[in-house]
Amino acid sequence: DQQVKQNSPSLSVQEGRISILNCDYTNSMFDYFLWYKKYPAEGPTFLISISSIKDKNEDGRFTVFLNKSAKHLSLHIVPSQPGDSAVYFCAAKYSGAGSYQLTFGKGTKLSVIP
Amino acid sequence: DTAVSQTPKYLVTQMGNDKSIKCEQNLGHDTMYWYKQDSKKFLKIMFSYNNKELIINETVPNRFSPKSPDKAHLNLHINSLELGDSAVYFCASSLPQGPLHFGNGTRLTVT
Repeated sequence: DQQVKQNSPSLSVQEGRISILNCDYTNSMFDYFLWYKKYPAEGPTFLISISSIKDKNEDGRFTVFLNKSAKHLSLHIVPSQPGDSAVYFCAAKYSGAGSYQLTFGKGTKLSVIP
Repeated sequence: DTAVSQTPKYLVTQMGNDKSIKCEQNLGHDTMYWYKQDSKKFLKIMFSYNNKELIINETVPNRFSPKSPDKAHLNLHINSLELGDSAVYFCASSLPQGPLHFGNGTRLTVT
């Protein structure tokens, strides 16, 4: 049972445009969400997080939006750059839980075309 | 100056063999993990160690045994390897509530 779903396996975006990566979750106990970025032959690296007390968190070109009622979050990258081409994983947990209780989605492969 | 390093990067071996993957972190984190990314690309936790004590052991076969000589190291030993063990194994570390810091993975292929 996938509690964290990334329904788009891949996404292609032109350089300079906005990239929007989506993530849905089913477990209503989840209240802390993270995005990780993964390049080929490397491990995932932490990108940005959001707590359910917020509906938006911004860090430079990266913004994560959370819609609790829809159990949906999205990662916006503006403007997209070729170096952003990677697999993006959404992850979720209950904030009172340890990091070992993170549940990951399957990832979305973003390709930014120069 | 790698924060979480694991070796080897690639491991090709035959069914029935025993192998180990090593992991070291220099971040001073108390908690370390082993994750498995299978053919369906899901990242699933296998083990977590907090300051050398096992705090979670998901339902993985007991052929898999984590060993932590100190809080900076968490090795994974696998006995009697099977075809289905082929996957990418990631080591990670974190502060108790912090984001995970992953190693670059070990691609295990069992033939």
